[in-house]
Amino acid sequence: DTGVSQDPRHKITKRGQNVTFRCDPISEHNRLYWYRQTLGQGPEFLTYFQNEAQLEKSRLLSDRFSAERPKGSFSTLEIQRTEQGDSAMYLCASTPQGLAGGKFYEQYFGPGTRLTVT
Amino acid sequence: AQSVTQLDSHVSVSEGTPVLLRCNYSSSYSPSLFWYVQHPNKGLQLLLKYTSAATLVKGINGFEAEFKKSETSFHLTKPSAHMSDAAEYFCVVISSGGYNKLIFGAGTRLAVHP
Repeated sequence: DTGVSQDPRHKITKRGQNVTFRCDPISEHNRLYWYRQTLGQGPEFLTYFQNEAQLEKSRLLSDRFSAERPKGSFSTLEIQRTEQGDSAMYLCASTPQGLAGGKFYEQYFGPGTRLTVT
Repeated sequence: AQSVTQLDSHVSVSEGTPVLLRCNYSSSYSPSLFWYVQHPNKGLQLLLKYTSAATLVKGINGFEAEFKKSETSFHLTKPSAHMSDAAEYFCVVISSGGYNKLIFGAGTRLAVHP
């Protein structure tokens, strides 16, 4: 399977604990996005990497959130001191490049990591 | 700023009948619009895309959508629903803020009954 993979698929944690999620994009995709999807809502943008550089962070990404993509391949998203409001599906997407010459390169999504904070 | 509004949170149809999922958009310029589908326990999948070419866009699995600038709409249709079409559907626009980040609608859950 050469699609986007995410690990773990499910995570249950107690409030106040730290959690880390991993995303492995499609090989050679240099752009990587993280989104968050809460129950009954569409995904919302969290952050964007081009290669190893984190170029944009949403205001949704509080100081407790940090994301890295150290070698421009896989990415991690860490949440420190989790709160019940962090319970959501965390989605990762990758794409080879953005809109260029009128051509849109599809963002390919992983299956997501569902986080439950108790 | 770009935004999309999905007019129905739930749509229920019988197998073999037409499907209509409604989406209105707001944009200060000609937007790039998409429909994604999300099946349970599976990743989001692109159904179709509009990027200022033909206004009637055909996608996978028999779905199509028509871009209507005068109505600021991008409704998704399918002539005949199949049981496998039951899923969550999202209308999506590319943000004007750069980096091609996507802005999703709240979603429409499609139920298909035998």
